[in-house]
Amino acid sequence: QVQLEQSGAEVKRPGASVRVSCKASGYTFTTYGISWVRQAPGQGLEWVGFIATHNGNTHFAESVQGRVTLTTDTSTSTAYMELRSLRSDDTAVYYCSRYRVASDYWGQGTLVTVSS
Amino acid sequence: EIVLTQSPATLSLSPGERATLSCRASQTISNFLAWYQQRPGQAPRLLISDASNRDTGIPARFSGRGSGTDFTLTISSLEPEDFAVYYCQQRSNWPLTFGGGTRVEMK
Repeated sequence: QVQLEQSGAEVKRPGASVRVSCKASGYTFTTYGISWVRQAPGQGLEWVGFIATHNGNTHFAESVQGRVTLTTDTSTSTAYMELRSLRSDDTAVYYCSRYRVASDYWGQGTLVTVSS
Repeated sequence: EIVLTQSPATLSLSPGERATLSCRASQTISNFLAWYQQRPGQAPRLLISDASNRDTGIPARFSGRGSGTDFTLTISSLEPEDFAVYYCQQRSNWPLTFGGGTRVEMK
């Protein structure tokens, strides 16, 4: 069965960086992209970025452009999101999802808290 | 970027009633629209892709229609587990964007 397993919760200071991992299983990793979505407390869904796992091409939301890097390790079927220069408004649950025409499988979410 | 506007923000209905949710795009997006359901404390769940294609295992009471700029998600007869927040998402242009969501609450 398809599963996406994300890394655990993080607490970071403003200005720091965070890396969230997303390990995929149950399908051929390079046949679907990975989309990242975040949700601030009590708020709606915000798309963060996408990586094409077969060639590494990426697309990002303007709100994180220049601060985010998406990568994959195809040998372990793992995707990574690194977000730098963290601000308080980056506090959110970050989700990875398997994506082709839509996000059909999701990880459990990783809470990233940015606080001084 | 393409802005998706969902209405109403909140829908108060009783089990067994019909729910009609709207998503309007700021420019034409063909049929490149998906709908998701999110229950409290859970990850979103894909209901419909490309405006009208139900995902595997999604009950037939969920249906989607529309093209261009106006889209509708209909739940024909609400079950207790359907009270949740619903989001639309477009894939016509990068960046992908979500609507602000519609909360379907029990009256």
